[in-house]
Amino acid sequence: DAGITQSPRHKVTETGTPVTLRCHQTENHRYMYWYRQDPGHGLRLIHYSYGVKDTDKGEVSDGYSVSRSKTEDFLLTLESATSSQTSVYFCAIRPGGLTRSYEQYFGPGTRLTVT
Amino acid sequence: AQKVTQAQTEISVVEKEDVTLDCVYETRDTTYYLFWYKQPPSGELVFLIRRNSFDEQNEISGRYSWNFQKSTSSFNFTITASQVVDSAVYFCALSTQETSGSRLTFGEGTQLTVNP
Repeated sequence: DAGITQSPRHKVTETGTPVTLRCHQTENHRYMYWYRQDPGHGLRLIHYSYGVKDTDKGEVSDGYSVSRSKTEDFLLTLESATSSQTSVYFCAIRPGGLTRSYEQYFGPGTRLTVT
Repeated sequence: AQKVTQAQTEISVVEKEDVTLDCVYETRDTTYYLFWYKQPPSGELVFLIRRNSFDEQNEISGRYSWNFQKSTSSFNFTITASQVVDSAVYFCALSTQETSGSRLTFGEGTQLTVNP
């Protein structure tokens, strides 16, 4: 158990509304990631963070923003949700330290539906 | 650029059969890491294994085994004597030291169904 929670777990929202998804970790890992999972695409990286206030874009970042004001929380915001953002969103952490392990551990996911 | 290809979209087997899931990767980096994840019907993503590019030893864990071959850029996953509980989507993924943030590049996944 990597101590990762996501909230909400399910959300239905209307086109044009802002939405914020939260990822919370309990083990002070430096690296955190947001992915989206869609049929036929596997998982694709939206944004990632390598420390408090340090973030960078992934391959599908358009329409999304992120913030990380505390080590334990990584927020993903859809400024104006569109139907193409209907997806399952996963947060992940990457343990660091001396082993420099590269595997990532995932939260339970958030299913977002934009109507 | 990195790419992972899982050509098998769906596989269906009968319990106790052996099954191999294929994974082919592309990268120009000399140091990289390969992974397999399992996503059961409940939806969570479970880390199964990591392999480093400099270690081509195959690995066995119970009924699971992994065959890493740099010559063919493949990292295949075999389940021996499959069980119904093995039914899941399996993802192969790649990460490299040169990729910013050490992000994972995923294949599209293989849906494995094990029938009783």
